[in-house]
Amino acid sequence: NAGVTQTPKFRVLKTGQSMTLLCAQDMNHEYMYWYRQDPGMGLRLIHYSVGEGTTAKGEVPDGYNVSRLKKQNFLLGLESAAPSQTSVYFCASASPRDRSLKGNQPQHFGDGTRLSIL
Amino acid sequence: QKEVEQDPGPLSVPEGAIVSLNCTYSNSAFQYFMWYRQYSRKGPELLMYTYSSGNKEDGRFTAQVDKSSKYISLFIRDSQPSDSATYLCAMSAWYGGSQGNLIFGKGTKLSVKP
Repeated sequence: NAGVTQTPKFRVLKTGQSMTLLCAQDMNHEYMYWYRQDPGMGLRLIHYSVGEGTTAKGEVPDGYNVSRLKKQNFLLGLESAAPSQTSVYFCASASPRDRSLKGNQPQHFGDGTRLSIL
Repeated sequence: QKEVEQDPGPLSVPEGAIVSLNCTYSNSAFQYFMWYRQYSRKGPELLMYTYSSGNKEDGRFTAQVDKSSKYISLFIRDSQPSDSATYLCAMSAWYGGSQGNLIFGKGTKLSVKP
């Protein structure tokens, strides 16, 4: 059981380049999230999706776009990368049906994509 | 004022010590309180969960929530070097029939020395 898989694991971009980060989950979860993690800032929500074909803005959405064409995939796009977008990006998934001792709708995270923009 | 405040540390303790990690928050609507553990170069994993006020114990870990003080704690008994990680508190509210998005603290980096 792979859980949440993020591709790629590392990437270096030049300012102005574009790229897409891919998140795939095999748990049939309805909800998916993209976070960025920066030193001293913690995890901040970029965009999220509550179902196939739907997306919504989080706390820091500027400069990013997302798409959820398939339930299992959530794509994060940078159209014109900027040095301020250098960060570690985490994807997570959750289900409203998942209620356990570990929590109500616990979020399951991937291992991150480390992105550097020069 | 940030919604969730957490001392980033770092915190260094000897093996076997009792560790206390804390977060404060400002939003009285928060009802779900979580602690995530994050090892270096890995994603966060859910460690403890508490709904509303009270305590929850799971092995060497105890989570406490004091809603009157807007203060949550995670205690680790008999700490081990394998507990060395960054601990993130997270919390959310209930909005219109569904759980709201998680708000994370900055994380506290813990090092347990053998």
